[in-house]
Amino acid sequence: EPEVTQTPSHQVTQMGQEVILRCVPISNHLYFYWYRQILGQKVEFLVSFYNNEISEKSEIFDDQFSVERPDGSNFTLKIRSTKLEDSAMYFCASIGTSGNYEQYFGPGTRLTVT
Amino acid sequence: SQKIEQNSEALNIQEGKTATLTCNYTNYSPAYLQWYRQDPGRGPVFLLLIRENEKEKRKERLKVTFDTTLKQSLFHITASQPADSATYLCARLQSNAGNMLTFGGGTRLMVKP
Repeated sequence: EPEVTQTPSHQVTQMGQEVILRCVPISNHLYFYWYRQILGQKVEFLVSFYNNEISEKSEIFDDQFSVERPDGSNFTLKIRSTKLEDSAMYFCASIGTSGNYEQYFGPGTRLTVT
Repeated sequence: SQKIEQNSEALNIQEGKTATLTCNYTNYSPAYLQWYRQDPGRGPVFLLLIRENEKEKRKERLKVTFDTTLKQSLFHITASQPADSATYLCARLQSNAGNMLTFGGGTRLMVKP
């Protein structure tokens, strides 16, 4: 069964450094998402991406964040200057064409900012 | 803004019993509610979607109801098994906003053998 993949599984970085989290959504999907989950808290929407542009973004997704789909298969989230509070699990998700709007989530990247 | 709220306390039940989890929302009814399962350290996995105009949806041992008067959705697992132990997330889907999901905090279910 096709699945969303994410790399790396765990990223440790120092405060102020740039990080890029990578995702490969399911190949025929059209909508792509990033969510984050701080330890012990709820899953929070960051951004949605459709037709090569951002369709929605949350208040969390400020100028430090950007997304890109550089080559038609990868979908990346960049954080330009990481803060301690960016430490979280970051999930990529995608939607296909089923009428259930089922979002397929990847396994996540655990980002630790020290 | 609309909030999605779930009981943050863990629900402990005996194997074979029916587990019932609650999702409450504020303000207007969401057109779509989804339920996901999340295991520790893993991404959410889709279980069921229910539309505003549907009272009930079933899938195998799972049942979801939607009561727009009470502003509540109930999620039932019948004949529960220890393998059903996980956190269950309720989410509002906004089809007019890129299909983004707003999640509740989840309820942890523990099924004891």
